[in-house]
Amino acid sequence: QVQLVESGGGVVQPGRSLRLSCAASGFTFSRHGMHWVRQGPGKGLEWVAGIWYDESNIYYGDSVKGRFTISRDNSGKMLYLQMNSLRTEDTAVYSCARETSLHCTTTFCSDIHFDYWGQGILVTVSS
Amino acid sequence: QSVLTQPPSVSAAPGQKVTISCSGSSSNIGNNYVSWYHHVPGTAPKLLIYDNDERPSGIPDRFSGSKSGTSATLGITGLQTGDEADYYCGTWDSSLSAVVFGGGTKLTVL
Repeated sequence: QVQLVESGGGVVQPGRSLRLSCAASGFTFSRHGMHWVRQGPGKGLEWVAGIWYDESNIYYGDSVKGRFTISRDNSGKMLYLQMNSLRTEDTAVYSCARETSLHCTTTFCSDIHFDYWGQGILVTVSS
Repeated sequence: QSVLTQPPSVSAAPGQKVTISCSGSSSNIGNNYVSWYHHVPGTAPKLLIYDNDERPSGIPDRFSGSKSGTSATLGITGLQTGDEADYYCGTWDSSLSAVVFGGGTKLTVL
C-alpha cells in the first residue's frame, strides 16, 4: 500500500534552517509529482511547494519562495524540503502528498490533486 | 485571505444533506479542475473528489462534486456523525502558478 512518512521536524530558532524528508513506498515514485502542504496552528491547509516527477517543473508558494527548496531522489524514493531563514509564521505541521494528474501541458497540470498524504511532521519556529 | 472562498462552517442533522461552496476566478476554478478533501486535524487529509466530480475508489456515493463557471460545490447526503471534519477545495491557479486551497469549511453534524 502507498505510504508517505515524513521526518526531520522539530524546534528551531528563527533565522535557522531545517530539512524535512518524506520516504515513499508502495508505488512507482518516479511517475508522480510530489508536494509539501502545511497547516499552521488554527489555520487551513496551505500549499508550500511542488515538484514534477522528472524535476522539469518546480513551484513554490509566495510565502516560501526564495527561502525553501523542494527536491527529490527518485532512486531512493525520497522527497525533501530544505527550509532556510525560518520565521515564526512557518510553524506548522508539514505533510508530503502524492500528486496524480492526467491533464498536463509541458508546464502545468490542470487536474492536479493529491490522492495520498503523509501523517505530517511538526515544525516549530521559536526563540 | 485564501484565493478560493469557502463558508467557514456548515451544519445539518444526521441523515440530512449539506452543500459546501467554493468560489474562485477564471485563473483557477474557471479553467482548471477542482478537488475536495476531508480533514480531521491530526490525521492525514483524504481525497474525496477529483476532476470536479469524480470519486476515488472507496469514497461512497453520498459524496458528490460539481462545478459551474468559477464556482464548485461539494454535496454530502445521508449525513453521519463521522462526517464531522474540515473540508477543503483545491485547484491549480494558472496566474499564480501555484496550487490554491480554500480556507476550509467545518462541518458539524448536529
